[in-house]
Amino acid sequence: ETGVTQSPTHLIKTRGQQVTLRCSSQSGHNTVSWYQQALGQGPQFIFQYYREEENGRGNFPPRFSGLQFPNYSSELNVNALELDDSALYLCASSLGQGRVTEAFFGQGTRLTVV
Amino acid sequence: GQQLNQSPQSMFIQEGEDVSMNCTSSSIFNTWLWYKQDPGEGPVLLIALYKAGELTSNGRLTAQFGITRKDSFLNISASIPSDVGIYFCAVLYSGGGADGLTFGKGTHLIIQP
Repeated sequence: ETGVTQSPTHLIKTRGQQVTLRCSSQSGHNTVSWYQQALGQGPQFIFQYYREEENGRGNFPPRFSGLQFPNYSSELNVNALELDDSALYLCASSLGQGRVTEAFFGQGTRLTVV
Repeated sequence: GQQLNQSPQSMFIQEGEDVSMNCTSSSIFNTWLWYKQDPGEGPVLLIALYKAGELTSNGRLTAQFGITRKDSFLNISASIPSDVGIYFCAVLYSGGGADGLTFGKGTHLIIQP
């Protein structure tokens, strides 16, 4: 067990709706990264939060947004859901933005958009 | 964006056999990583490689960072049932202001009884 917990574990939403996914980082870890893993693919980097600010983003549109709270937990928000947003969403926490290779992943949230 | 070519896509082996998989890129990277993902779980780091030519072991697992910095391989010796899962290579890149990981598509390891 990594100490990184995500909720909910599964979620079904309708196209056009909005969704919020949550991540509690491992104790003491101040950096959270979010990844999208489509079926049969490797995870793709969405963005990273450090000290409550987004400090890097992959190739994802602005309707993917996030927050980080003072206790370092984080949320991923997706607006105007599309069918292609169906995926496993993973968060990973690390002790510092420069230590991503030492990050621990949560078990993920499986989002299905219908 | 960066793309990692991972092969084979899947492997069907018998318990006790050795396994070899590799990952290549058209770009140079200074950090290569290997992860394993079990069903319903997030990826777990197996081995991290930081230096070209480096050969690193973790129990029955051995990984090497290619001298050109464009490839890496992972070997598993004497496979056991708990080795079943999806193995991903990944590289560290700096883009958009943060360090992120780029993953390959994975090698699905299946062990036949």
